[in-house]
Amino acid sequence: ETGVTQTPRHLVMGMTNKKSLKCEQHLGHNAMYWYKQSAKKPLELMFVYNFKEQTENNSVPSRFSPECPNSSHLFLHLHTLQPEDSALYLCASSHGQGYNNEQFFGPGTRLTVL
Amino acid sequence: DQQVKQNSPSLSVQEGRISILNCDYTNSMFDYFLWYKKYPAEGPTFLISISSIKDKNEDGRFTVFLNKSAKHLSLHIVPSQPGDSAVYFCAASRRDDKIIFGKGTRLHILP
Repeated sequence: ETGVTQTPRHLVMGMTNKKSLKCEQHLGHNAMYWYKQSAKKPLELMFVYNFKEQTENNSVPSRFSPECPNSSHLFLHLHTLQPEDSALYLCASSHGQGYNNEQFFGPGTRLTVL
Repeated sequence: DQQVKQNSPSLSVQEGRISILNCDYTNSMFDYFLWYKKYPAEGPTFLISISSIKDKNEDGRFTVFLNKSAKHLSLHIVPSQPGDSAVYFCAASRRDDKIIFGKGTRLHILP
């Protein structure tokens, strides 16, 4: 596997379910990101991890809980989501967190909350 | 309030012609700008970037122009090819801060 992979690619869940999104990068990068892309909206940064430490939480509701056990893996734990949380969730990684570090994106998880 | 604006949701261009995608920003502190390209069912991929110390950066068929006084940048693709059909995201950042993305412009290259 190369690049940034995300599983699952599609997820349908009820509002009372608990699920997790997984992201793995095989690029040797130190920074990882979660983004949310809703229809007709810009990509919204959710969380940033640099060397496994969370460095940014962009006012994300607590029903989204990130976890970064090591520099290669990033999870997004979901519980009691709302229908408006339905979106494409994209993971990205970069060599460093600096602004001129190119971010490499995974294919995304298409989440539908019923 | 959106700091990075792509006011054209979609654009259609004849194959072989020039495609021009526009982007405006509001934060004068931005000093690094990027374009990403996204195909369906794939994540965005980095295309080209420009630092605020330059007003032009060229990479093959892709050229990005930056007009700091107008807070405007544009991506030129020439000649346009069928594989260029995708959604293009403009993004901006300032030193040691996060990247802010626009909503994207869907480019259709017509045969």
